[in-house]
Amino acid sequence: DAGVTQSPTHLIKTRGQQVTLRCSPKSGHDTVSWYQQALGQGPQFIFQYYEEEERQRGNFPDRFSGHQFPNYSSELNVNALLLGDSALYLCASSLPGLAVRETQYFGPGTRLLVL
Amino acid sequence: RKEVEQDPGPFNVPEGATVAFNCTYSNSASQSFFWYRQDCRKEPKLLMSVYSSGNEDGRFTAQLNRASQYISLLIRDSKLSDSATYLCVVNMGDYKLSFGAGTTVTVRA
Repeated sequence: DAGVTQSPTHLIKTRGQQVTLRCSPKSGHDTVSWYQQALGQGPQFIFQYYEEEERQRGNFPDRFSGHQFPNYSSELNVNALLLGDSALYLCASSLPGLAVRETQYFGPGTRLLVL
Repeated sequence: RKEVEQDPGPFNVPEGATVAFNCTYSNSASQSFFWYRQDCRKEPKLLMSVYSSGNEDGRFTAQLNRASQYISLLIRDSKLSDSATYLCVVNMGDYKLSFGAGTTVTVRA
């Protein structure tokens, strides 16, 4: 049973560039959330996708956008990269269920460095 | 005020010791609570959910105090493999998880 997978594992970009990160959820899961984790901090919620729609969004600018495909996989796009976007980007998947009870399972993350 | 606050530690304890730490959350409407464990440069992994009556999972005991809005985790008989960062996580019923910054625990031989 495959867990959550993410690609690429590492990425180096320069300021102003655009990046796309990819995530495949755990088998049987159809909800995908994205988090940003800066060094020494806990993960911060970016947004969640369910039924190919953005269902909830955290306090991130419009430069951060996403997409969910019919097979439940998801992409995170970041435009006009800033140095401060350097972080570990985590994808988490969960069952749709009742939001209050569902545990989220994390992928290994994509480590993004912006120079 | 941050949604979830934790004592960052580090807690440096010998093998076999008991270590405990808390986190506080700001939103009294929070509905579910978890402890996640994160090893260095790895993804967070669910350690345990936290229930209102308190719960144990082997050497780990979690408590929830809704009146004071804090959650605790106690680790008994610490093992070297317990060395990690422990993340306090709160779900406010709006699909997202809110994480604390983590408490670092180092167990020494």
